[in-house]
Amino acid sequence: DQQVKQNSPSLSVQEGRISILNCDYTNSMFDYFLWYKKYPAEGPTFLISISSIKDKNEDGRFTVFLNKSAKHLSLHIVPSQPGDSAVYFCAASRGGSEKLVFGKGTKLTVNP
Amino acid sequence: NAGVTQTPKFQVLKTGQSMTLQCAQDMNHNSMYWYRQDPGMGLRLIYYSASEGTTDKGEVPNGYNVSRLNKREFSLRLESAAPSQTSVYFCASRRIREKLFFGSGTQLSVL
Repeated sequence: DQQVKQNSPSLSVQEGRISILNCDYTNSMFDYFLWYKKYPAEGPTFLISISSIKDKNEDGRFTVFLNKSAKHLSLHIVPSQPGDSAVYFCAASRGGSEKLVFGKGTKLTVNP
Repeated sequence: NAGVTQTPKFQVLKTGQSMTLQCAQDMNHNSMYWYRQDPGMGLRLIYYSASEGTTDKGEVPNGYNVSRLNKREFSLRLESAAPSQTSVYFCASRRIREKLFFGSGTQLSVL
């Protein structure tokens, strides 16, 4: 029973364009969401997070949108750069629990 | 500032052997985690510890045991390794309800 789903295994975009990575969740009790980036042979690194009391959070080129009614969040990267090429993971947890579950990841390739 | 340190970085085991993966964090975090990453499967939670003295099962706990030795250290033990446990293992930690910090991973092969 996968509670956090990233249905696109891969995404390819041109440098300078927008990258949109999507994530769906099934547990309506989730109230805190995070995005991580992972390069080969390294541990994942934190990108951006959002609490369920918000519907948008921005940090530089990265924006996360949360649609609670659709149980859907997305990560926008604008403009995309070749250094953004990595695997991106979405993660979620619910209030009162420290359990944090991840999706399967989306491999983003930004072409020069 | 070392962050989250995992040892070893690489390990090869034979089926049936046992081993312990070590993890330590120096950020005074309450919560610690063990994940495994497999191709096409993403990051799956094995066990986590919300505080010193407590541990809870994650999504794929079978075949593993953990020990929260103190606030800094959280170890993962494979009692009888199986080829299905070939994976990359990540330890992570965080303050309660904040972002997760990961170690650099342990690549384990079970032959």
